[in-house]
Amino acid sequence: DQQVKQNSPSLSVQEGRISILNCDYTNSMFDYFLWYKKYPAEGPTFLISISSIKDKNEDGRFTVFLNKSAKHLSLHIVPSQPGDSAVYFCAANGYNQGGKLIFGQGTELSVKP
Amino acid sequence: KAGVTQTPRYLIKTRGQQVTLSCSPISGHRSVSWYQQTPGQGLQFLFEYFSETQRNKGNFPGRFSGRQFSNSRSEMNVSTLELGDSALYLCASSLPPPSDEQFFGPGTRLTVL
Repeated sequence: DQQVKQNSPSLSVQEGRISILNCDYTNSMFDYFLWYKKYPAEGPTFLISISSIKDKNEDGRFTVFLNKSAKHLSLHIVPSQPGDSAVYFCAANGYNQGGKLIFGQGTELSVKP
Repeated sequence: KAGVTQTPRYLIKTRGQQVTLSCSPISGHRSVSWYQQTPGQGLQFLFEYFSETQRNKGNFPGRFSGRQFSNSRSEMNVSTLELGDSALYLCASSLPPPSDEQFFGPGTRLTVL
């Protein structure tokens, strides 16, 4: 039972354009969402998060949008840079679940110069 | 401040053997979570330890176990290794009280032959 889904395994974007990565979830008890970036042979690196009481959170070039009614979140990267090329994971955490993060399958982003 | 460290970085074992992986969290972090990453299943939560107690557990067989020491360092053990246990094992730590942002180590790549 995949509670967090990233339906696009890969995404290719031109440098300078917007990258939009999508994530859907099924569990309405999730109340905190995070995006991680992962390079090969490294552990995931935290990018940005959003609480379920918000619908948008912005940090520099990265913005996360949350649509609770649709159980959907997205990560926007503007402008995209070649260094952004990596695998992006969305993750969800439920109330009182402590350190238990449920991850999506990941989307491999390739930003071409 | 040093990041999360994991040892060893690479391991090769044969079926039926057991293995112990080690994780040292960021100084001051008391929560340690373990994840298994495989190409087919993505990142899956194994268990979480906080103040030497297992607080959350994922859906893995009893062959997978862990513990946490008083200095917050954690170990995970896999007994009777199977080919399907070949994976990247990631450890993550977070601040007390366990926050949602987890900091990951580089992982231990386990290959079972």
